[in-house]
Amino acid sequence: DAKTTQPPSMDCAEGRAANLPCNHSTISGNEYVYWYRQIHSQGPQYIIHGLKNNETNEMASLIITEDRKSSTLILPHATLRDTAVYYCIVRAAAGNKLTFGGGTRVLVKP
Amino acid sequence: DADVTQTPRNRITKTGKRIMLECSQTKGHDRMYWYRQDPGLGLRLIYYSFDVKDINKGEISDGYSVSRQAQAKFSLSLESAIPNQTALYFCATSDLRFGGTDTQYFGPGTRLTVL
Repeated sequence: DAKTTQPPSMDCAEGRAANLPCNHSTISGNEYVYWYRQIHSQGPQYIIHGLKNNETNEMASLIITEDRKSSTLILPHATLRDTAVYYCIVRAAAGNKLTFGGGTRVLVKP
Repeated sequence: DADVTQTPRNRITKTGKRIMLECSQTKGHDRMYWYRQDPGLGLRLIYYSFDVKDINKGEISDGYSVSRQAQAKFSLSLESAIPNQTALYFCATSDLRFGGTDTQYFGPGTRLTVL
């Protein structure tokens, strides 16, 4: 699975959009981009995933560049409960493990 | 995710004791996984099972064993617990049938302390 690079931390104002970048320059054609988050030692929570096209669900939007070498997770209206470590993971559709890197620690401030 | 439950949620035990952690899921998924997480580190895969008769070692299986009692149940055992097995343990499930993309959903975790 390709490696990913994320900023170690970022702050966001409550009610504003949070844009979380991820670089995955060695991604292969059959690899998906997944996003999970972990809130203080709870189980990782699946957010969204995509292959080529931009995706949106009730939690977030995922924007993938045309060359697929980077992506951005967008939390449209951040709340205090969105404070967590966010992980960008690249893997094939039918892999066995998820490789969690360092992630981005997001702090949503009032 | 409430569809994946783990018991116990917290456990303190002593070195040398046998411990079993249990995972149950109501998602109807065929695949199940056990991970551990050490403080400040990412998750590492211990064992995984793609169906009831399939068991596979992950990257850190030494000192652990598993049992897939049914499609919905996957247990992790520490045969003789040691202090460096103190960690957070997470169970996850996924499904690749019916056009799925094998997205993994995690349980709430078990905090294990070995004294």
